[in-house]
Amino acid sequence: QVQLVQSGAEVKKPGASVKVSCETSGYTFITYDINWVRQAPGQGLEWMGWINPRNGKTGYLQKFQGRVTMTRNTSVNTAYMELSSLTSEDTAVYYCARVVPIDYYYFMDVWGKGTTVIVSS
Amino acid sequence: DIQMTQSPSSLSVSVGDRVTITCRASQSITDYLNWYQQKPGKAPQVLIYGTSGLQSGVPPRFSGSGSGTSFTLTITSLQPEDSAVYYCQQSDTAPYTFGQGTKLEIK
Repeated sequence: QVQLVQSGAEVKKPGASVKVSCETSGYTFITYDINWVRQAPGQGLEWMGWINPRNGKTGYLQKFQGRVTMTRNTSVNTAYMELSSLTSEDTAVYYCARVVPIDYYYFMDVWGKGTTVIVSS
Repeated sequence: DIQMTQSPSSLSVSVGDRVTITCRASQSITDYLNWYQQKPGKAPQVLIYGTSGLQSGVPPRFSGSGSGTSFTLTITSLQPEDSAVYYCQQSDTAPYTFGQGTKLEIK
């Protein structure tokens, strides 16, 4: 079955960077975009951006431009999200999710379990 | 960016009730509207795509409607396991923004 397995929890100091991985299985990795979504404690969902695993093209929420990098390694069917210059406001659970189309509608049908990132001095 | 606004922010209902959650977009998104359900400590799961398409495996008591800027998620015959937070998300134009969520509590 389709699975997205994310890397483990991270604790980082302010100013540091974090790289979260999302290993996929059960489907052809390059077929579907991967989205990244985060959720701060007790807050709602925030869409961060997307990557096309076939060609590596990306798109980011403006607030993260210059601070986020989404990449992929097709040889290991894995997507990555790196966020730099961390502050306490980046403390959140970070999710990767596969985006599929039905007709012309795109939605996230399979999600990883999430990676907790804590930023604390 | 397109702003998504849900109402109400929370509601408390009884098993067997009918529930309607509203989502409004700051500009027309045609019918590119998805609904997700999130239970505590879990990743979200899609319920409805393209305003009214029922995702495989989702019970038919969930339904969606709307177009343009106004959309609704309806749950008929509410079940205890429907206690969750519900989010709408527009997939019309990047960034693909979410509503702020509606917390549904079962009395």
